Amino acid sequence: EPEVTQTPSHQVTQMGQEVILRCVPISNHLYFYWYRQILGQKVEFLVSFYNNEISEKSEIFDDQFSVERPDGSNFTLKIRSTKLEDSAMYFCASINVRNEQFFGPGTRLTVL
Amino acid sequence: RKEVEQDPGPFNVPEGATVAFNCTYSNSASQSFFWYRQDCRKEPKLLMSVYSSGNEDGRFTAQLNRASQYISLLIRDSKLSDSATYLCVVAVTGGGNKLTFGTGTQLKVEL
Repeated sequence: EPEVTQTPSHQVTQMGQEVILRCVPISNHLYFYWYRQILGQKVEFLVSFYNNEISEKSEIFDDQFSVERPDGSNFTLKIRSTKLEDSAMYFCASINVRNEQFFGPGTRLTVL
Repeated sequence: RKEVEQDPGPFNVPEGATVAFNCTYSNSASQSFFWYRQDCRKEPKLLMSVYSSGNEDGRFTAQLNRASQYISLLIRDSKLSDSATYLCVVAVTGGGNKLTFGTGTQLKVEL
C-alpha cells in the first residue's frame, strides 16, 4: 500500500538556521499538506498546496515558512530562520478522492 | 470555545471492555469527519471516516449528529493494541480541506 514518506526523521539545528523538510506524497494524490505538533499539544494545520500553489495557510505559516514542489515527487517545507518555538513534529499529508488524508511518519525538528 | 473538543482522558479499561469517546465541534460548516489514532510520537493514522448514517468497521462504530455537532466512537471488545490516543478530526470540504484536530482522548487497555 502506498505511503507518504518524509526525510529526515530527526533534524537538529541552531536557532537562526534554515531547514528544509522533505516529503514524498502518495503518487496519485493531488493535494498536499503540512501540519505540526508541538510536544504534548494537538496537531495544527500549517498549509495546503494544490496545482503548484498554496491553497490555504494558517496564521502559524508566516513569512519564515515556504513550500515548494521542486519536481514531480517531492514536496518541501522550508523554515528560513528557525526559532526555538519551531521545535515540533512536522507531518506531511496527502489526500485521496474520498477526502481522507494520510500522514507521513513525521520529522522531529529540534531547534537549539 | 475550542473548534474540536474531546475529553482528554485517560480512559483505563480492562481488555474486552466497550469504551466510548465523544467529541463536539463548533464550526457548523464542517462537512467531513474522521477518527484518527495516534501512538506515542507517531503520525496520526486514519481509523475511519464518519458518515451521517453512522458506520461500522469491525469492532469500531462511529456516529455523527449534525444537529448537535457531536461525533462519537465506540470500541467493542477492546484489545491491548487499541491503547493509543484517539483524535477527533473535522474538515470543511472545499478550499483546502484542512483538518482541524481535537486534543485527543488517551485510551489504555489493561490486562
